[in-house]
Amino acid sequence: DQQVKQNSPSLSVQEGRISILNCDYTNSMFDYFLWYKKYPAEGPTFLISISSIKDKNEDGRFTVFLNKSAKHLSLHIVPSQPGDSAVYFCAASAAGGTSYGKLTFGQGTILTVHP
Amino acid sequence: ETGVTQTPRHLVMGMTNKKSLKCEQHLGHNAMYWYKQSAKKPLELMFVYNFKEQTENNSVPSRFSPECPNSSHLFLHLHTLQPEDSALYLCASSQDRRGFMGYTFGSGTRLTVV
Repeated sequence: DQQVKQNSPSLSVQEGRISILNCDYTNSMFDYFLWYKKYPAEGPTFLISISSIKDKNEDGRFTVFLNKSAKHLSLHIVPSQPGDSAVYFCAASAAGGTSYGKLTFGQGTILTVHP
Repeated sequence: ETGVTQTPRHLVMGMTNKKSLKCEQHLGHNAMYWYKQSAKKPLELMFVYNFKEQTENNSVPSRFSPECPNSSHLFLHLHTLQPEDSALYLCASSQDRRGFMGYTFGSGTRLTVV
């Protein structure tokens, strides 16, 4: 049972426009969410996070929105740049239960930003 | 050079071989992890070590054997693997198990079992 889902395997966006990456989760114990970015032949790198006590967190061009009632989060990148082209993973961490102390990842979305 | 170093970067092994993957971090982190990434699948957690003690074994087959001699080093010993074990194996570390500061990942070992 996949607890974190990224239903879009890929996304293509024009440079300068907004990129919106989506993530859904099922475990109500999740209370901390993170986005990671991965280039080929490299490990994932931490991008931005959000606690469940917030519904928005912003860091430069990157903003994460959390909708707890819908168990949905999204990552907005504005404006998108060609260097943003990578695989983006959503991850979640739980305050307790069997998912405590470990990150559960989605399957990733490949973002391509065209010049 | 990232804070988490994995060696080797690539490994090809036969099903009867024994090999080890190595992970090293000098970030002063207390928790270390092995993840497996297969094509088109989420990163799958394999093992968690917290202060050198294994706190999680995510139903991993015994042909994968982790070892954590100290907080800075983590090994994954491999023996009698199957072709379906071919994947990218990622090591990560974090200051705490919740990952509030994020996990730092290594670049991974691309394993091919033939």
